[in-house]
Amino acid sequence: GQQVMQIPQYQHVQEGEDFTTYCNSSTTLSNIQWYKQRPGGHPVFLIQLVKSGEVKKQKRLTFQFGEAKKNSSLHITATQTTDVGTYFCAGPSQAGTALIFGKGTTLSVSS
Amino acid sequence: EPEVTQTPSHQVTQMGQEVILRCVPISNHLYFYWYRQILGQKVEFLVSFYNNEISEKSEIFDDQFSVERPDGSNFTLKIRSTKLEDSAMYFCASSEEGVSGDEQFFGPGTRLTVL
Repeated sequence: GQQVMQIPQYQHVQEGEDFTTYCNSSTTLSNIQWYKQRPGGHPVFLIQLVKSGEVKKQKRLTFQFGEAKKNSSLHITATQTTDVGTYFCAGPSQAGTALIFGKGTTLSVSS
Repeated sequence: EPEVTQTPSHQVTQMGQEVILRCVPISNHLYFYWYRQILGQKVEFLVSFYNNEISEKSEIFDDQFSVERPDGSNFTLKIRSTKLEDSAMYFCASSEEGVSGDEQFFGPGTRLTVL
């Protein structure tokens, strides 16, 4: 079945350092979404990428969709303690009616 | 700001018992979903629902699971005979459009503990 893989599983950084998480799909995706889950919280939508090679920025966050639409990345510049949480990428299911999530990358930030 | 609500926040049940988890999606949304997350693991898709019927279900969503929209506001997940491995956080989500067009809004979750 469809799989969405994400690395690394965990990442610890010092505040101010950069952070990147990578997402790979076994199949070509029509779109990819990114969610953030704070500890003890629920997933919250960050962004959706649709076009091949698309790059979108939200303040210190940069999202990229690969040319082949099978991989994506999220890069955070100059992390802050508020960035702590687990970042999930998610692609459409086979029937396209739901999201298949990657395992997530849990980011911890020490000040 | 509109939000998805879920009740109860925590449910403890004995193995073999039936549980019903309740969700109130955002009022103008047409697409509804259930996901689960075992502690420390990824969010897993269970079922999607549109126009009063199941659109898609995962391998996890076997005969022990069912969903229902009993009225114009609630969306429920029933587990007929709970197993220990059903212990997880269950998230309801809704969206205005389908997956390819729209973000999903997640509720705060129901933590199900099966003893």
